[in-house]
Amino acid sequence: QSVLTQPPSVSAAPGQKVSISCSGSSSNIGNNFVSWYQHLPGTAPNLLIYDNSKRPSGIPDRFSGSKSGTSATLGITGLQTGDEADYYCGTWDSSLSAYVFGPGTKVTVL
Amino acid sequence: QVQLVESGGGVVQPGRSLRLSCAASGFTFNSYAMNWVRQAPGKGLEWVASISYDGRQKYYAESVKGRFTISRDDSKNSLYLQMNSLRAEETALYYCARDKFAGDLDYWGQGTLVTVSS
Repeated sequence: QSVLTQPPSVSAAPGQKVSISCSGSSSNIGNNFVSWYQHLPGTAPNLLIYDNSKRPSGIPDRFSGSKSGTSATLGITGLQTGDEADYYCGTWDSSLSAYVFGPGTKVTVL
Repeated sequence: QVQLVESGGGVVQPGRSLRLSCAASGFTFNSYAMNWVRQAPGKGLEWVASISYDGRQKYYAESVKGRFTISRDDSKNSLYLQMNSLRAEETALYYCARDKFAGDLDYWGQGTLVTVSS
């Protein structure tokens, strides 16, 4: 049972936009940076967003991140079939002294 | 280019031990904190442990405290995870990941599979 909450799945047609929420508390999201990862099971996860809203080099600006209070959001615009994957939020939890991942959200392109 | 290559996975009986290794290259290993993350079949990512750049600070998920030990050998650019008293539910693909800064896991290996079964 994760201390972070994400919707199990989101879907949209190609070219559309999806938003994935990640809800936590003051011990994690509220006082620490949030990262987002794209993952195809069996492959290496890929860092999409760090420090709440920054993109590593090579990540297209179709991916965006934001944070407000104890929640964070990943946005994907111009949805492509190649975006079908599992997406995880992650952050440090100061109370647990542990890094925590959300349960993951499966993105389906209709 | 940054490369992380895990090894040491395999089939092990419940209650036994296994040591995973992660060979790093393409960056100054002793400047970065490192992590182990696992994914059990059909489950999400689960953080296991992290070690600071200088090896002085180590953190563990509650589920592995007292049984797993993370360590590093900067002379060999290598990260390790000693896993004792393994349980069936710890069957998973184990990844090592570099920590760019304060929990930004920016590079990951391809993982090594650990199967705990009698």
